[in-house]
Amino acid sequence: EIVLTQTPGTVSLSPGERATLSCRASQSVSSNYLAWYQQKPGQAPRLLIYGASSRATGIPGRFSGSGSGTDFTLTISRLEPEDFAVYYCQQFGSSPQTFGQGTKVEIK
Amino acid sequence: EVHLVESGGGLVQPGGSLRISCAASGFTVSWYYMSWVRQAPGKGLEWVSIIYSNGNTYYADSVKGRFTISRDNSKNTLYLQMNSLRAEDTAVYYCARDYFRYYMDVWGKGTTVTVSS
Repeated sequence: EIVLTQTPGTVSLSPGERATLSCRASQSVSSNYLAWYQQKPGQAPRLLIYGASSRATGIPGRFSGSGSGTDFTLTISRLEPEDFAVYYCQQFGSSPQTFGQGTKVEIK
Repeated sequence: EVHLVESGGGLVQPGGSLRISCAASGFTVSWYYMSWVRQAPGKGLEWVSIIYSNGNTYYADSVKGRFTISRDNSKNTLYLQMNSLRAEDTAVYYCARDYFRYYMDVWGKGTTVTVSS
């Protein structure tokens, strides 16, 4: 099973700042089968990025994904008030599919 | 517009059984892969089970032998039969459209399952 480790666990930032979230895999994730989700309290997760770097439908351009192999990054270029949430990475390249433990982006 | 609506959650005693449902609209469940994902209180997301468009099913080790995923094509509905429930199965259960194991693009709002005496 591929273990995904997300860092940091929590990051405190102000609106307008840049957020850089990391997701490291214990083994290479094949064909960049890596997705990112946003989850707000009491809500279901929302797909942001798939294939490591492709934005899902309706996702603003301030969200971008990068990386390959074992190291992946989600970047939010300028934080908007609605971006403060928990972010999860997920890999589909190897069974079972697994999630990272999440990174909370909180308001500073 | 595509929607998923879960139902059937509730309080069940340890060792008991429960079946939760996920009704889909706006797309045909049998044309896609469909997954169940759960989230224990205050914890992260855990994939539970998947059913492929060809009917093949797969489970996380933590539920294998106790949970069964299925679908009713005539009702366009996904199910999760949960037997021998344990306290550690307490969670919000989400169904999600699993785009051929590439990403999960449609999620329901979840149904809460509580296992407690």
